Amino acid sequence: QKEVEQNSGPLSVPEGAIASLNCTYSDRVSQSFFWYRQYSGKSPELIMSIYSNGDKEDGRFTAQLNKASQYVSLLIRDSQPSDSATYLCAEISGTYKYIFGTGTRLKVLA
Amino acid sequence: ETGVTQSPTHLIKTRGQQVTLRCSSQSGHNTVSWYQQALGQGPQFIFQYYREEENGRGNFPPRFSGLQFPNYSSELNVNALELDDSALYLCASSLEPGANYGYTFGSGTRLTVV
Repeated sequence: QKEVEQNSGPLSVPEGAIASLNCTYSDRVSQSFFWYRQYSGKSPELIMSIYSNGDKEDGRFTAQLNKASQYVSLLIRDSQPSDSATYLCAEISGTYKYIFGTGTRLKVLA
Repeated sequence: ETGVTQSPTHLIKTRGQQVTLRCSSQSGHNTVSWYQQALGQGPQFIFQYYREEENGRGNFPPRFSGLQFPNYSSELNVNALELDDSALYLCASSLEPGANYGYTFGSGTRLTVV
């Protein structure tokens, strides 16, 4: 059974700090990974995708992928209270199906 | 360009009843995927429709069924509702079955089974 695992949290960080969210996956052949943000009661929205080892930056967000260790992470710099949400990590299984982790709840304290 | 729209936004059903949820795909998208998200969990893949045919299915019983219409909109039908079917049902459309660029989800339908 292919799995994506995340710590459910909550992860609490002070405003302005760096939030670090982590995810591990079991399928060694997985190639594509995604981070989604989900506010309470809302649908997930795509933040970033990453396909290659290393870092990918987009504004305050940096995704990191390490295929040898089978982990993906998301860094949020200068965290704001509006970043408080659940962050879902996902991988593609086969060519069409996402496998999601259970999500990490982030709280940014003002 | 319109996004993915789902209806209804909320509904309450009684155990044993049947329900139909609807999804209008984003303009130009021919693929629709349905996910179930129970409280505190990540979304779970139900099935995908591509050009009116089921293109893949997750670990859900046959009482979960679907349709895709010529305009690529889609329905999710659930028969013999159980309490555990209470969840947020999410629809996502994409240009093709491969989702390498990420999905855009609709706002979801919150189903409560009592």
